[in-house]
Amino acid sequence: KNEVEQSPQNLTAQEGEFITINCSYSVGISALHWLQQHPGGGIVSLFMLSSGKKKHGRLIATINIQEKHSSLHITASHPRDSAVYICAVWVYGGSQGNLIFGKGTKLSVKP
Amino acid sequence: NAGVTQTPKFQVLKTGQSMTLQCAQDMNHEYMSWYRQDPGMGLRLIHYSVGAGITDQGEVPNGYNVSRSTTEDFPLRLLSAAPSQTSVYFCASSLWGPRGNEQFFGPGTRLTVL
Repeated sequence: KNEVEQSPQNLTAQEGEFITINCSYSVGISALHWLQQHPGGGIVSLFMLSSGKKKHGRLIATINIQEKHSSLHITASHPRDSAVYICAVWVYGGSQGNLIFGKGTKLSVKP
Repeated sequence: NAGVTQTPKFQVLKTGQSMTLQCAQDMNHEYMSWYRQDPGMGLRLIHYSVGAGITDQGEVPNGYNVSRSTTEDFPLRLLSAAPSQTSVYFCASSLWGPRGNEQFFGPGTRLTVL
């Protein structure tokens, strides 16, 4: 059983569309990360949140701790948003805890 | 700042060979970690370190060794490469642990074991 589930696995959108990527988790957390993996393979951190909502440019991340669910929204999508988006949750363990990663959502935005 | 650097970018090994993947960061981060990424799976933690001289195992540590003699460097050693270790390896660092700290990733090393 996967502890971090993302949906959809693949998503194709037209430029300008509003995008939503979902992340559900079964483990207790106090922090959730959203990451972006570029087509070239590099991974960058987008958001880190433990409650509520964060916004950065056209990206919005929300989390509902009670429902164990987080969403990543992209407004006015653009072809340069094409990437794999990865959700990771922090779980207690070891000396500093660890991250459990989802399998990612591959987004393709067509012009 | 160079951020997190990894070398090499690509490597092909034969079964049984050993090698070291290099990782370095110049941000004075205490926490460093190694992940492997396989098709259809999420990133999985191999080993991590919370500071110089301190390392611990992650989810998939077998066949790998690490050490942390300095804050900057965190090499990953493959003791006797096996085809199952064919993967893309990412090194990451953060100021402290991943609970509330942004993770910075290296560019990755693509390893093929024949």
